[in-house]
Amino acid sequence: EVQLLESGGGLVQPGGSLRLSCAASGFTFSSYGMSWVRQAPGKGLVWVSGITYSGGSTYYADSVKGRFTISRDNSKNTLYLQMNSLRAEDTAVYYCAKDLSSGSYGIFDSWGQGTLVTVSS
Amino acid sequence: EIVMTQSPATLSVSPGERATLSCRASQSVSSNLAWYQQKPGQATRLLIYGASTRATGIPDRFSGSGSGTDFTLTISSLQSEDFAVYYCQQYNKWPRTFGPGTKVDIK
Repeated sequence: EVQLLESGGGLVQPGGSLRLSCAASGFTFSSYGMSWVRQAPGKGLVWVSGITYSGGSTYYADSVKGRFTISRDNSKNTLYLQMNSLRAEDTAVYYCAKDLSSGSYGIFDSWGQGTLVTVSS
Repeated sequence: EIVMTQSPATLSVSPGERATLSCRASQSVSSNLAWYQQKPGQATRLLIYGASTRATGIPDRFSGSGSGTDFTLTISSLQSEDFAVYYCQQYNKWPRTFGPGTKVDIK
């Protein structure tokens, strides 16, 4: 059974930094692209960033480009999101999501339960 | 970026009735369109990809259609567990983008 467990969320001041982690199990992590998707309180889903299976290519939403960095450690079956220069509008639950197949970047067949990031002074 | 819109924002349906949800893309996404279901306290679930292919384990009362810019998700006979928020999402171009969602609630 696929399991995705996010961690690292919390309360941070504007301008601060946070690193999210997503521990994956139940599948061959190194064979699948992964993404981060966020959801502000009471709002819809917003794709944030994606990474290919090898980590060789990364993609970002314009709203986070230059501030967030996605990475992965295939030896540890873990996905990361380094978030810098955080703003109030980054407040959201952050989900990691797995691609459906090794060639299908952007179809998310498994999702974690999310970790809440709150940016506030 | 490709902007996705969904209508209606809220759909009130009685159990056993048919529900039809619409999704439109600001430019063609071919058939690179997925539908997801989100319920409080549960992981988001993939329903449909490739505009019309049901994901593993999805009941056949869920069906998807469309291509290009206009898409439809149909739930043929609503069950109690189907009351949820539904999102469409394009994966034709980066950045991937979601629609704002349609909430299906009990009439």
